[in-house]
Amino acid sequence: DTAVSQTPKYLVTQMGNDKSIKCEQNLGHDTMYWYKQDSKKFLKIMFSYNNKELIINETVPNRFSPKSPDKAHLNLHINSLELGDSAVYFCASSPLISTDTQYFGPGTRLTVL
Amino acid sequence: AQKITQTQPGMFVQEKEAVTLDCTYDTSDQSYGLFWYKQPSSGEMIFLIYQGSYDEQNATEGRYSLNFQKARKSANLVISASQLGDSAMYFCAMREPHSGGGADGLTFGKGTHLIIQP
Repeated sequence: DTAVSQTPKYLVTQMGNDKSIKCEQNLGHDTMYWYKQDSKKFLKIMFSYNNKELIINETVPNRFSPKSPDKAHLNLHINSLELGDSAVYFCASSPLISTDTQYFGPGTRLTVL
Repeated sequence: AQKITQTQPGMFVQEKEAVTLDCTYDTSDQSYGLFWYKQPSSGEMIFLIYQGSYDEQNATEGRYSLNFQKARKSANLVISASQLGDSAMYFCAMREPHSGGGADGLTFGKGTHLIIQP
């Protein structure tokens, strides 16, 4: 029944490793997003995908790459993890229309040691 | 310049009192959406209420209402009869049309940490 799900919920890893976070939505929405929430709780958009097409790519390092195998999934792959990547990463989804609500997943807390 | 400004980093309110959380926004678009989300200590982002820029009536959802003053570019959240479970971070956010068409991400304010005291 979960509308937007993410795995894993917690991720602890060493600097330099490569990791992925998975996201799935069962709402039939057209667009999915990744947000980063830093230690001060500030939320910022990273990427969005619409029907497999990247339509926003904020100024994030190219170590971060979103991958969408289909409309219901948007995974986030991170290469060469750095200490500053430690944060909570939220996946979200919404219909296409710009004023429609975005529904968030539970978040993935990434800790880089 | 910040697009979403929440001027109250923290608030303490007595249980059962009404609470107003401030939010002002900045946009040159005519069509946009304004949202409030609640983030309890458990971490999830919970959608509370939405106001469209063309909506003439203030949005209401149960104990939540949005005081939308378009000319002042403000979208304050009002919680009536506050409860202990309302203690959380509250984020105001705006969604604008993407310049190239299609959907855009939300721009968030820095949040207000609300604590309801018994």
